[in-house]
Amino acid sequence: SAVISQKPSRDICQRGTSLTIQCQVDSQVTMMFWYRQQPGQSLTLIATANQGSEATYESGFVIDKFPISRPNLTFSTLTVSNMSPEDSSIYLCSVEMVNTEAFFGQGTRLTVV
Amino acid sequence: AQKVTQAQTEISVVEKEDVTLDCVYETRDTTYYLFWYKQPPSGELVFLIRRNSFDEQNEISGRYSWNFQKSTSSFNFTITASQVVDSAVYFCALRDSNYQLIWGAGTKLIIKP
Repeated sequence: SAVISQKPSRDICQRGTSLTIQCQVDSQVTMMFWYRQQPGQSLTLIATANQGSEATYESGFVIDKFPISRPNLTFSTLTVSNMSPEDSSIYLCSVEMVNTEAFFGQGTRLTVV
Repeated sequence: AQKVTQAQTEISVVEKEDVTLDCVYETRDTTYYLFWYKQPPSGELVFLIRRNSFDEQNEISGRYSWNFQKSTSSFNFTITASQVVDSAVYFCALRDSNYQLIWGAGTKLIIKP
């Protein structure tokens, strides 16, 4: 299993600013995933972050808007850049291990005003 | 294409009633995993069950039970004697051969006292 600590848990930000979300895992994992969940919606994968390589972004998400760092096997950050009210969502980091379920952080509830 | 359909957007029942949440999936893979997660109002994702494609045994855990039918590509979830604390959004998900999770739209379950 894996325990994920994600912070901040929530934030209210001004439009045009950036927020960096941190995700710390209590064990080494190869793949980490970042999701966005817009209000009342399901989870949408933003990108897959593997240590030692560039993150792989899903269609509709770009590195300039959502830069990701993965400096080691237990840590990752997602930055939401130049925010607008449309970026108001819950952002979740997740890890998966072979033959297990996906483990999630507590989520970051972002409101952009 | 890989797809998960949760046709029930919202279900409302009175406490102590039984309720079934439907999940239908599509996949070309012969080996895959199916999951159910619960998302209470606090926002975190709570893992409920994982089922691999070779295990069609139904599972019961307390008031929760799951019915996996490969013939109809369904993985339905039943809560017996529902309680107010069961109120949440429930997601069904499919893990494909690329280790990505494909999420259903979620079913919002409201249990009235």
